[in-house]
Amino acid sequence: NAGVTQTPKFRVLKTGQSMTLLCAQDMNHEYMYWYRQDPGMGLRLIHYSVGEGTTAKGEVPDGYNVSRLKKQNFLLGLESAAPSQTSVYFCASKKPGPSSDTQYFGPGTRLTVL
Amino acid sequence: GQQVMQIPQYQHVQEGEDFTTYCNSSTTLSNIQWYKQRPGGHPVFLIQLVKSGEVKKQKRLTFQFGEAKKNSSLHITATQTTDVGTYFCASGTSYGKLTFGQGTILTVHP
Repeated sequence: NAGVTQTPKFRVLKTGQSMTLLCAQDMNHEYMYWYRQDPGMGLRLIHYSVGEGTTAKGEVPDGYNVSRLKKQNFLLGLESAAPSQTSVYFCASKKPGPSSDTQYFGPGTRLTVL
Repeated sequence: GQQVMQIPQYQHVQEGEDFTTYCNSSTTLSNIQWYKQRPGGHPVFLIQLVKSGEVKKQKRLTFQFGEAKKNSSLHITATQTTDVGTYFCASGTSYGKLTFGQGTILTVHP
């Protein structure tokens, strides 16, 4: 099993450009999440999904959109990138159930917006 | 929303010294999870605590959940260079959402 994979690993964008980050998991997990990590701020939840076709906002959703068309994939989109979106983005997945179950993280995407 | 404060932000130790990081919340937590992130890596789950006053050990690591379920700590005995990284606590809420502390960056000098 590959676990959780993310594409791409690195990306540089210019302000105003758009892009989509892809997260894929092969563990048949229902729940998937997108976080961003900035220095000194830990990880913050952007959006999450509790199943195919469903998405919900997290703590910092502004400027991002998501889609979960297939159970194994969770896409994060930036329609018009801004320098404030320079960050490391992590995708995670877990089984449904009590909130105490562990989340499995992907390797991350390092995004720079110039 | 729920906030989890983690201290210290940085900790530099000599190999063999002990290390402790603390998490505090103003509200009662359902559970607390601990993650380790190696430099350049992704967070990796270490443990979860659910019960009031719970203490769990993993070799040189000791995890505690406070009696009031508002604080938690991670203690590493006799640090090794392999312990370097950032340690995060995270509170789990509905639908498995995690609220992370700011993390403690541990540096171990040989």
